Amino acid sequence: SQQGEEDPQALSIQEGENATMNCSYKTSINNLQWYRQNSGRGLVHLILIRSNEREKHSGRLRVTLDTSKKSSSLLITASRAADTASYFCATEETSGSRLTFGEGTQLTVNP
Amino acid sequence: DGGITQSPKYLFRKEGQNVTLSCEQNLNHDAMYWYRQDPGQGLRLIYYSQIVNDFQKGDIAEGYSVSREKKESFPLTVTSAQKNPTAFYLCASISKYSSATRDEQFFGPGTRLTVL
Repeated sequence: SQQGEEDPQALSIQEGENATMNCSYKTSINNLQWYRQNSGRGLVHLILIRSNEREKHSGRLRVTLDTSKKSSSLLITASRAADTASYFCATEETSGSRLTFGEGTQLTVNP
Repeated sequence: DGGITQSPKYLFRKEGQNVTLSCEQNLNHDAMYWYRQDPGQGLRLIYYSQIVNDFQKGDIAEGYSVSREKKESFPLTVTSAQKNPTAFYLCASISKYSSATRDEQFFGPGTRLTVL
């Protein structure tokens, strides 16, 4: 079953603009994670936010988590062409044994 | 360098053949995972193993088998019973104990399987 759903499915912006992606989920979670995937490659972990946290920053990344709305957002500030990739959210349910991934947002940053 | 390796990068299989995809990690992680990714879609969990000699089915285990005889290795066999095996296969591992990277999944580069 698909837990996380990203929105939008695709996003195209100009270099220097900010990119915001959203993720909704259905069940109680231990944490929510964001991953990045360049075409044809493995996923790379970006940031993890635990259920008792509301906001987290890492470089140009800002993640928020609203457990009451079961949603999260990933903000990439001052985007670069190299940020072009697919971004996935993944949730670890309270059973703690596995992650469930969403369908992803395809981000294109135009130079 | 610590990491996860998958081999081969590309694999071609004739219908009716079993094939085995390799996944090795030297991160000393206890848990390992296999995912399938179809074009333009997210990851679906095939099997996972939290400890040596133990593994659990994921959401799409039918037509696949795994073994976990060593902590470092978690091979996936795609059997002839898998009706539509052409996909990108990703292996991952996780540490539940590292304070720095606890709960983060580390991914291999993937194997692209094509059935001819």
